[in-house]
Amino acid sequence: KAGVTQTPRYLIKTRGQQVTLSCSPISGHRSVSWYQQTPGQGLQFLFEYFSETQRNKGNFPGRFSGRQFSNSRSEMNVSTLELGDSALYLCASSSDRQNTEAFFGQGTRLTVV
Amino acid sequence: DQQVKQNSPSLSVQEGRISILNCDYTNSMFDYFLWYKKYPAEGPTFLISISSIKDKNEDGRFTVFLNKSAKHLSLHIVPSQPGDSAVYFCAASSLWNTPLVFGKGTRLSVIA
Repeated sequence: KAGVTQTPRYLIKTRGQQVTLSCSPISGHRSVSWYQQTPGQGLQFLFEYFSETQRNKGNFPGRFSGRQFSNSRSEMNVSTLELGDSALYLCASSSDRQNTEAFFGQGTRLTVV
Repeated sequence: DQQVKQNSPSLSVQEGRISILNCDYTNSMFDYFLWYKKYPAEGPTFLISISSIKDKNEDGRFTVFLNKSAKHLSLHIVPSQPGDSAVYFCAASSLWNTPLVFGKGTRLSVIA
């Protein structure tokens, strides 16, 4: 069974640009969550999608958005990038209830310069 | 407001000894707790979990203890091995499909 796949693995963008990150969950998993990891801050929850609907949302500005497609693949978008958006963005999938074991992808390392 | 706290940013343990990683939480609605391990340049991998109806769960060298009255859980690794060197994250959630809330992590170094 293939794991969670995130693309791209690395990305460098300049301030003010926008970026789209992609996540393909484990086959059969319908819940996809996105997290931001920065040094010293742990994993901070961005949002969760389940069956193409946003089910939960973290405390991030509206520049951060996401969506989920009918095949459960998910994208997140960050507009008007700021230097502070530099982070590792992690996607996790789970089969149904979000609080059961979640499987993480390797992440996308975003650097904003 | 940090609902899940891992107060030790780092821990060093000698190979073969016990590693104890601690986690405190403030939200009494949390009823499911997980530990994840993370190596550099990889995503976190699930290690072990415990629900609030239990006070202990064991899986090989890994045991998680839950003290609900103290809102405290701990992960014991016995015996510790160099391959256990990683960042360990504690996470918690409640019954109603709420997101996992993570602590900031503890970096464990197991010295040979």
